[in-house]
Amino acid sequence: SYELTQPPSVSVSPGQTARITCSGDALPKKYAYWYQQKSGQAPVVVIYEDNKRPSGIPVRFSGSTSGTMVTLTISGAQVEDEADYYCYSTDSSDNHRGVFGGGTKLTVL
Amino acid sequence: EVQLVESGGSVERPGGSLRLSCATSGFSFNDFGMSWVRQAPGKGLEWVSGINWDGGSTAYADSVRGRFTISRDNAKNSLYLQMNSLRAEDTALYYCARGYGSGSYLAYWGQGTLVTVSS
Repeated sequence: SYELTQPPSVSVSPGQTARITCSGDALPKKYAYWYQQKSGQAPVVVIYEDNKRPSGIPVRFSGSTSGTMVTLTISGAQVEDEADYYCYSTDSSDNHRGVFGGGTKLTVL
Repeated sequence: EVQLVESGGSVERPGGSLRLSCATSGFSFNDFGMSWVRQAPGKGLEWVSGINWDGGSTAYADSVRGRFTISRDNAKNSLYLQMNSLRAEDTALYYCARGYGSGSYLAYWGQGTLVTVSS
């Protein structure tokens, strides 16, 4: 089955740039999305269609893509950005099946 | 304001059945595909199932195919998940989300309903 691979954890100091990667063989052909999940809360989309930012999401959040890897970048990470981040896309062989990466715990301290 | 409210979660024994519901408001329900996503305690997100706007297309994760059935009632603006032959590994918080497949991503989520499968 199709998989998206993320690092389990990333740690930065406040004000530094955090980069979270997600790799998958079909990502050159499929859009990727990034979700932020804070403790005890439902996920919230922070990037859609590889690099678009929904209204209300701070400009420090950005997305990029290169080959089979997509990257979520948080420029000048804040303490309130500490959360779990998940990439999401659709299955390489079935446009209707969703797939999440394993998630990355971002620590900002 | 888009709202998604899940219900129906409870404690069930292995082999049992449950039906989850998701009541929606604040958008034109019959214009959107919908999905269920779950999260086991302390674990990551897992996409479970999705359905298109009129119910004509459905999809399932391998882990639930043949046991779970997704459906919708556009007249009631509601989404459902019939869960049969429950297993301990189905224990999770189940989220309802607006979106399905590559055409529309999971833009809005409910707060989830907890399913516990235990003897």
